[in-house]
Amino acid sequence: AQSVTQLGSHVSVSEGALVLLRCNYSSSVPPYLFWYVQYPNQGLQLLLKYTTGATLVKGINGFEAEFKKSETSFHLTKPSAHMSDAAEYFCAVTSSNRDDKIIFGKGTRLHILP
Amino acid sequence: EPEVTQTPSHQVTQMGQEVILRCVPISNHLYFYWYRQILGQKVEFLVSFYNNEISEKSEIFDDQFSVERPDGSNFTLKIRSTKLEDSAMYFCASLGTEGQPQHFGDGTRLSIL
Repeated sequence: AQSVTQLGSHVSVSEGALVLLRCNYSSSVPPYLFWYVQYPNQGLQLLLKYTTGATLVKGINGFEAEFKKSETSFHLTKPSAHMSDAAEYFCAVTSSNRDDKIIFGKGTRLHILP
Repeated sequence: EPEVTQTPSHQVTQMGQEVILRCVPISNHLYFYWYRQILGQKVEFLVSFYNNEISEKSEIFDDQFSVERPDGSNFTLKIRSTKLEDSAMYFCASLGTEGQPQHFGDGTRLSIL
């Protein structure tokens, strides 16, 4: 069984400050990990993914995440927040089995303070 | 880049009525999914579909729900007799190659009155 825990349903950072959104996962098989962003009344946009290989993955809009197996974590970071980053962020996990479903975390709403 | 297309973007239906949500997956994809997101909550898996049959379904996907790929291009989700608690955003997704993420559509917002 797989699960995802996102710490903090709401995170507020000042514009220009570091963004850190935390995600821990549980998986009995090697995980594939994702971060999705959802803007109000819109769909899910893939920010970045980890499947195999390099544990530090870079995504769109300056975001990156690091897969740490020992900590079962996949935290999302961005060095400098921008007002346009305000959105809901979902961490998600699936397995390397070909057609497995995606399990989403509860989401973290990111607020950017001027 | 190919996209997953969902129609309609918003569906309003009276409680007890049947509703069909439509999805056109990416053309060479073989695996298809429906997910649901109740307002303010997380995205939940409903069902996966491969080779013209259901691969897996969640406990949410009860006898009121059905899926179909009627013509080799569309992938539909039918709710036979809608309830108020079916109000949600429904996302379709498709998958082609192992190791690649599922591609999501923009969703259909279903409002049950």
